Amino acid sequence: QQPVQSPQAVILREGEDAVINCSSSKALYSVHWYRQKHGEAPVFLMILLKGGEQKGHEKISASFNEKKQQSSLYLTASQLSYSGTYFCGSGSTGGTSYGKLTFGQGTILTVHP
Amino acid sequence: DTGVSQDPRHKITKRGQNVTFRCDPISEHNRLYWYRQTLGQGPEFLTYFQNEAQLEKSRLLSDRFSAERPKGSFSTLEIQRTEQGDSAMYLCASSLAWPGVPGNTIYFGEGSWLTVV
Repeated sequence: QQPVQSPQAVILREGEDAVINCSSSKALYSVHWYRQKHGEAPVFLMILLKGGEQKGHEKISASFNEKKQQSSLYLTASQLSYSGTYFCGSGSTGGTSYGKLTFGQGTILTVHP
Repeated sequence: DTGVSQDPRHKITKRGQNVTFRCDPISEHNRLYWYRQTLGQGPEFLTYFQNEAQLEKSRLLSDRFSAERPKGSFSTLEIQRTEQGDSAMYLCASSLAWPGVPGNTIYFGEGSWLTVV
């Protein structure tokens, strides 16, 4: 089943913060965050594993709450280059599905000057 | 460039024709994935290989779709008798496989855009 992301879209001014959430009805073993710009491939941002680790990438960080089966992506002091669609992917485990990702529907982030 | 490469980047074809896409993964990666993405949606899993073995196929992959990875390196995705509904971006991705570790980073290629007219 597909993870659910919220909000569907966010509009920011440069320097503002944003949070993007990703929830799953199934147990999450790993969460992978990607950013995709129009017409381009998804670019890997970070990966979170079971255990609630918070990983950082410049001014972008994320958390993973396995009890609540959700992950959140935090973008602080946003820059114009942060604009794009953000996807979370939940990692499968067990059997031959091991390692494949099921993606949410995406959150469109627009940063204005 | 050592990333995932895909060819062709764009393909326009008439309905009913066959098309083939090629993917060259990152050289040391033994896992290779195919995803499909339509406008406004996240990538949808189609199939994946570990080395030359095709381990899983999505129900999205009808009989008209076939993927191969003959020597465990590059892969091809063929669509026979294309339909307008096949129009999408076909993404290839690769990763290392670490059994017992769920956190393999998956890297995507630039994608192959297919337009069926």
